[in-house]
Amino acid sequence: DIQMTQSPASLSASLGETVTIECRASEDIYNGLAWYQQKPGKSPQLLIYNANSLHTGVPSRFSGSGSGTQYSLKINSLQSEDVASYFCQQYYNYPPWTFGGGTKLELK
Amino acid sequence: EVKLQQSGDELVRPGASVKMSCRASGYTFTDYAMHWVKQSPGQGLEWIGTIIPLIDTTSYNQKFKGKATLTADKSSNTAYMELSRLTSEDSAVYYCARDTSYYGYNWFAYWGQGTLVTVSS
Repeated sequence: DIQMTQSPASLSASLGETVTIECRASEDIYNGLAWYQQKPGKSPQLLIYNANSLHTGVPSRFSGSGSGTQYSLKINSLQSEDVASYFCQQYYNYPPWTFGGGTKLELK
Repeated sequence: EVKLQQSGDELVRPGASVKMSCRASGYTFTDYAMHWVKQSPGQGLEWIGTIIPLIDTTSYNQKFKGKATLTADKSSNTAYMELSRLTSEDSAVYYCARDTSYYGYNWFAYWGQGTLVTVSS
């Protein structure tokens, strides 16, 4: 199974700041990576797929990048509505589909 | 608009079984695979299994074989997951999530609102 390691586990940032979350796969996943946002008490929502493609309706301040085993999610100009947990997921080698442990983003 | 409506929260006794549902609307149910995902309290996400509704083909995470059973009813556009021999370790929120492909080899584009299962005597 491919292991997904996210960092940091938690993050505190100020409004307007730029935030970056990292995700490392245990082997090359050839951009088969998605990012999800989960607000408290809600279900996860797709943000990014294929490592860098923005899902319909997702604000352009979100972006994804990376290749091989290293990927990142960047949030430009942090807004209050971005307070949430973020998860990466690989879908290159399955089953199983595997998720990172999550990053909890809070406001400073 | 794609919607996945899951059944209500469940309180079940240890050793019992529970069957939850995920009713799909806004798309052709048999055109896309459906996944199920577990989220334990304060924890991350675990893929449980996948069903291809048109042909009733299933795939399970080895960890959940014998625990979860996935089915689908094409006449009502509803996917089901049954969990058996419940223990406290099964207390969690369970999500259904629709793939973007027929065979289920992509990302999870749409998610249900979740069903909370609490196992307690």
